[in-house]
Amino acid sequence: KQEVTQIPAALSVPEGENLVLNCSFTDSAIYNLQWFRQDPGKGLTSLLLIQSSQREQTSGRLNASLDKSSGRSTLYIAASQPGDSATYLCAVGGSQGNLIFGKGTKLSVKP
Amino acid sequence: GAVVSQHPSRVICKSGTSVKIECRSLDFQATTMFWYRQFPKQSLMLMATSNEGSKATYEQGVEKDKFLINHASLTLSTLTVTSAHPEDSSFYICSARDAASGSLNTQYFGPGTRLTVL
Repeated sequence: KQEVTQIPAALSVPEGENLVLNCSFTDSAIYNLQWFRQDPGKGLTSLLLIQSSQREQTSGRLNASLDKSSGRSTLYIAASQPGDSATYLCAVGGSQGNLIFGKGTKLSVKP
Repeated sequence: GAVVSQHPSRVICKSGTSVKIECRSLDFQATTMFWYRQFPKQSLMLMATSNEGSKATYEQGVEKDKFLINHASLTLSTLTVTSAHPEDSSFYICSARDAASGSLNTQYFGPGTRLTVL
């Protein structure tokens, strides 16, 4: 059974810092991996999607990497801003279109 | 584009009553919709997969007679929590897969519905 773990559970940083969020999964037979952002009481916004054959994806200040063999992914946020404060969720995708989520990392960026 | 709405956004009900939550894809057709539940500080957990015109597929441990899912059109799926109890209080989120999308995992998420059962 696939399990997704995110570390740390919470993170507080001053504005401007670069930071890394970690995600690990137990079964390397994944279709893809996605990073989402969830604001309090809101739905999810997809940030980056990495196909199983890819090593990384970039969008603006965000960079996500995938090491399928070791079951790890990282989300790198450069020059963090208060507007980045949210919960970041990692989800692995199966071949049937299903998504399995981690519990998330709650990020707080202080001005 | 690719907007999914949910209604209501928040509902409070008495124990024993039934609550219906709607999930709509506003600008695309969704042959498949997914229903998730999220308890405080927990992961989103998939409850069921809803395919238009057929019966929903429920995940292990989810009671299909308690959580009734109807996906009668390509833009609407409903989740009815029957005889709700306080332990059903949770954040329910739906997602929809664009029928025209070539990617199996491209799901668009609704804003969620906060259910509180007194």
